[in-house]
Amino acid sequence: AQSVTQLDSHVSVSEGTPVLLRCNYSSSYSPSLFWYVQHPNKGLQLLLKYTSAATLVKGINGFEAEFKKSETSFHLTKPSAHMSDAAEYFCVVNGSGGYQKVTFGTGTKLQVIP
Amino acid sequence: GAVVSQHPSRVICKSGTSVKIECRSLDFQATTMFWYRQFPKQSLMLMATSNEGSKATYEQGVEKDKFLINHASLTLSTLTVTSAHPEDSSFYICSATPGIAGSYEQYFGPGTRLTVT
Repeated sequence: AQSVTQLDSHVSVSEGTPVLLRCNYSSSYSPSLFWYVQHPNKGLQLLLKYTSAATLVKGINGFEAEFKKSETSFHLTKPSAHMSDAAEYFCVVNGSGGYQKVTFGTGTKLQVIP
Repeated sequence: GAVVSQHPSRVICKSGTSVKIECRSLDFQATTMFWYRQFPKQSLMLMATSNEGSKATYEQGVEKDKFLINHASLTLSTLTVTSAHPEDSSFYICSATPGIAGSYEQYFGPGTRLTVT
């Protein structure tokens, strides 16, 4: 079984300040973890992924996430928010072990205030 | 690489008609494709999993006779919404995975906005 929890449904930050979007997971197997971004009325874009290599993963647009097994977390961060970062962010887990389905978190809407 | 397309991007149809949505993997062979539905301001809900050449596996609560899925080739899956009703209006997103051992990353299409009037 696998699940993912995004702790905040909405996050609001000022432009130029750090971003933290939280994600906790559970999985019976060593998981693969992903962060996707969705802009309004658009599809999903992969920001970054963790697949059992380095625990600190760097993605596109300055985002990064750290896999912490002891905390079962995979929080998404960015040092300085940009207006274009305003979007919906989804944390996704795949439990591997031959199980191809992924499980989506409920999403976090990021608002960036000028 | 790993591009997935969907067609159409938007479709409006009348209640009672059927609508077909195509999902194509453009530069890889997709052993498995997934269909999701997204309601406004909500997360994605998996509807069904389809493997090339076999019947789709539907999630609990999804009517297989209403949402017909065909995965006829390694690069194409189709979702047909039969006898559509206004409550079927939604954003439908497909994804595809090459199914390489140890890597189950899914590549998502841009989505299809269905409006049933």
